[in-house]
Amino acid sequence: AQSVTQLGSHVSVSEGALVLLRCNYSSSVPPYLFWYVQYPNQGLQLLLKYTTGATLVKGINGFEAEFKKSETSFHLTKPSAHMSDAAEYFCAVANSGNEKLTFGTGTRLTIIP
Amino acid sequence: EPEVTQTPSHQVTQMGQEVILRCVPISNHLYFYWYRQILGQKVEFLVSFYNNEISEKSEIFDDQFSVERPDGSNFTLKIRSTKLEDSAMYFCASSEGWGDETQYFGPGTRLLVL
Repeated sequence: AQSVTQLGSHVSVSEGALVLLRCNYSSSVPPYLFWYVQYPNQGLQLLLKYTTGATLVKGINGFEAEFKKSETSFHLTKPSAHMSDAAEYFCAVANSGNEKLTFGTGTRLTIIP
Repeated sequence: EPEVTQTPSHQVTQMGQEVILRCVPISNHLYFYWYRQILGQKVEFLVSFYNNEISEKSEIFDDQFSVERPDGSNFTLKIRSTKLEDSAMYFCASSEGWGDETQYFGPGTRLLVL
């Protein structure tokens, strides 16, 4: 079984400030980890993913995430928030044993001008 | 850039009616999926489809749901007799492979059952 916990359903940061969105996962086998972003009235867009290899992965729009096996975490960060980053962010886990993505409950990111 | 498309974007139906949600996956992809998101809740897996058959399904995907790839491009989700609790956003996704392969999502169909 696999699951994802996203701490904080709503996060607000000032424009230019650090963005940190938290994700912890549970998986009985090595996980594949994903961050998706959903802008209003749009579908889910992949930001970045970790499968194997380097634990720090870089994605689109300046986002990055680090896979920490010891902490079962895959937190999403961006050094400097931009107004266009306002959206809902979903962490998801998959593994080699099944085909489905298991999503967290999402974090709505608000950027304060 | 290739993308997954879905029609209609919104559908309103009466309880007990049948609905068909349509998706056109990315053309060279082999795996197809349906997910749903009830308002305010997480995105949930419904079913995956490969080689013209269901390869995995969740507990939500009961006998009232069915999927079909009627031709080389479309992938459909049918709900035979809709219930109020079927009201949700339904997302179609496709991927080249599974596991570590990226799933590409469509914009969704918002279904409202009255």
